[in-house]
Amino acid sequence: DTGVSQDPRHKITKRGQNVTFRCDPISEHNRLYWYRQTLGQGPEFLTYFQNEAQLEKSRLLSDRFSAERPKGSFSTLEIQRTEQGDSAMYLCASNFRGENYNEQFFGPGTRLTVL
Amino acid sequence: AQKVTQAQTEISVVEKEDVTLDCVYETRDTTYYLFWYKQPPSGELVFLIRRNSFDEQNEISGRYSWNFQKSTSSFNFTITASQVVDSAVYFCALSEVSMNTGFQKLVFGTGTRLLVSP
Repeated sequence: DTGVSQDPRHKITKRGQNVTFRCDPISEHNRLYWYRQTLGQGPEFLTYFQNEAQLEKSRLLSDRFSAERPKGSFSTLEIQRTEQGDSAMYLCASNFRGENYNEQFFGPGTRLTVL
Repeated sequence: AQKVTQAQTEISVVEKEDVTLDCVYETRDTTYYLFWYKQPPSGELVFLIRRNSFDEQNEISGRYSWNFQKSTSSFNFTITASQVVDSAVYFCALSEVSMNTGFQKLVFGTGTRLLVSP
């Protein structure tokens, strides 16, 4: 198992364009999370999936943001009509719901720069 | 609302010095979990330790040790004999677990940047 992977690692786009990021969690993990981290800050929660169901969304997730996890495997995060304020590192994490609580394992992140 | 405070923005030490990173948290829940993560320059968050609210035993793992005190709502992290490879940003985080959905939101502090010079 190679851990959580994210693609692309870096994305530069112009304001107003749409972007889509992909996250592949650890294979046996049924929970998947998206976080956003801006410079000098800790990660902030965006949304949570258990299998294919999106169970929680943060107020940070505006209408321009949408996330999916078809078939409960990989997940995508799309940002429509990007704004300069969307520039950040987007982190994906996963873990497994078992009898005991488990830590979240993070991917390397996708760094988005909106010009 | 939950909150994690890491008052130390940046700490600089010389190799082999001991260093303690402070973490203070706020929560109204009786069941919660505390974490430390390391974020090296590569950007990936690396899990270091998990503690639940019922376990106040201090823990030592090699050069790392953690001191959890519920009375002061603190979960401090000490690196003994620091090394250059310890240079990174360290985040303390707090989580609550929903018994219905299993939802666990991590609330992070703003991080402490540790610089270890040779």
